[in-house]
Amino acid sequence: QKEVEQDPGPLSVPEGAIVSLNCTYSNSAFQYFMWYRQYSRKGPELLMYTYSSGNKEDGRFTAQVDKSSKYISLFIRDSQPSDSATYLCAKNPTGFGNEKLTFGTGTRLTIIP
Amino acid sequence: KAGVTQTPRYLIKTRGQQVTLSCSPISGHRSVSWYQQTPGQGLQFLFEYFSETQRNKGNFPGRFSGRQFSNSRSEMNVSTLELGDSALYLCASSLVGHLDLSNYGYTFGSGTRLTVV
Repeated sequence: QKEVEQDPGPLSVPEGAIVSLNCTYSNSAFQYFMWYRQYSRKGPELLMYTYSSGNKEDGRFTAQVDKSSKYISLFIRDSQPSDSATYLCAKNPTGFGNEKLTFGTGTRLTIIP
Repeated sequence: KAGVTQTPRYLIKTRGQQVTLSCSPISGHRSVSWYQQTPGQGLQFLFEYFSETQRNKGNFPGRFSGRQFSNSRSEMNVSTLELGDSALYLCASSLVGHLDLSNYGYTFGSGTRLTVV
């Protein structure tokens, strides 16, 4: 079993819709959880990170972590064509010297104008 | 401020050759990590350097190696290239080698696209 499993997509939704992207993870060690967005021919760009269970909101984006079910989600409200990209969830053990992100395979999202 | 800079952006090599890729981290970032991204395997961790020392290593053969210089710049080398080494190689830098919740700075460069023919 992979440490981080992600819905592979691809996912196409109309502009303005709410998008839900999901990942599950194994290993219950203390973790940071991140969502990265990657446009074609670019490196991943950090969208959000969180450590705690619950919701974290930033503009149109909400990251949700449920540690009891080992489930992480990203919600995008009022989706725009510029949100079309590949979204990657990732986790990283906490603590000094633990910079080793484990990524999901990514979900390619297309927002249809 | 300048981001993570990777050079070259594109590279074409033949099987059996060796290649060196370069990464300049964000100023002040002392940790540099390398990842390989392929359509089949996604993003996979290669290794991480901090203060010129390799601290973490992924599950890649010994043909993949790296180093970090005193100015935190890093290079990775792949020897005896195989067709399967064709990938996007990404470098990421982070602040002073630990994850600061108040200033999470794990930032990627745009990558080097390596094609082995």
